[in-house]
Amino acid sequence: DIHVTQSPSSLSASVGDRVTITCRASQSISTYLNWYQQKPGKAPKLLIYAASSLQSGVPSRFSGSGSGTDFTLTISSLQPEDSATYYCQQSHSTPYTFGQGTNLQIK
Amino acid sequence: EVQLVESGGGLVQPGGSLRLSCAASGFTFSTYWMHWVRQAPGKGLVWVSRIKSDGSNIRYADSVKGRFTISRDNAKNTLYLQMNSLRAEDTAVYYCARDPDYGGYSRLDSWGQGTLVTVSS
Repeated sequence: DIHVTQSPSSLSASVGDRVTITCRASQSISTYLNWYQQKPGKAPKLLIYAASSLQSGVPSRFSGSGSGTDFTLTISSLQPEDSATYYCQQSHSTPYTFGQGTNLQIK
Repeated sequence: EVQLVESGGGLVQPGGSLRLSCAASGFTFSTYWMHWVRQAPGKGLVWVSRIKSDGSNIRYADSVKGRFTISRDNAKNTLYLQMNSLRAEDTAVYYCARDPDYGGYSRLDSWGQGTLVTVSS
C-alpha cells in the first residue's frame, strides 16, 4: 500500500498569511494526488485534484503543486473561513490512502 | 443540484450486520464511479471501497475485505454497502462520494452528509 504523510499535523496562522501544507507519498504517484477541506461536522470538500487542478467553485487562493512523491497545498492569503482540517489523498492505486490531516487554525 | 443521501446507519452489536444505502440525485448516476469513505470519531478519513459505473472493478481496503460488499443499482440510482461481522473498530461516520474519474484521475468531487455506524454491545 502507498503511505501518505502530511505535515504539519497542525498550524496556526493569521488572516492574510501564506500557508503551505505538504504531503509526501511513500512511492512515486506521478500527479495522482487530491486535496480536501473538512470543517467540523461536515463532509469533506474537494479543493485540488491531479496535484494542481483547481476544482470548480474553489477560490483561486488555493493552489496545489508537486509530482512524484512530494506535494504542496498553498493558501496564498488566508481567510477566516479557511479554518478547517485539510487532507491529501493519493489516487494512484487502491487503497486510495489519505494523509492524517492538518488542522489549520486562525490566530 | 447534486445530492447524495446516506441512510441505514445505527447501533449494532459486534458480529452483527448493517446495510448502508446512498441515494443519488441531480446527476447521471450510472456514469460515475462511487466510493465509501469512513471517519471514526475524532479521527481522519479512511478509504473503504469503490465500484465502477457499471458495477465492475470493485476494490476494498484490507481492513474490510471479506466482510463488506459494495454494490449499486443504477436503475434506482443507489449505492450500497453491506457490512457483516462488524467490529468495534468499524464504528465511524460512513460517507458515500462520487468520482468522475475523468482521464483516469480518481477524485471525490461530491460527498453525502454521512451516516453514523456504532458497533457496541
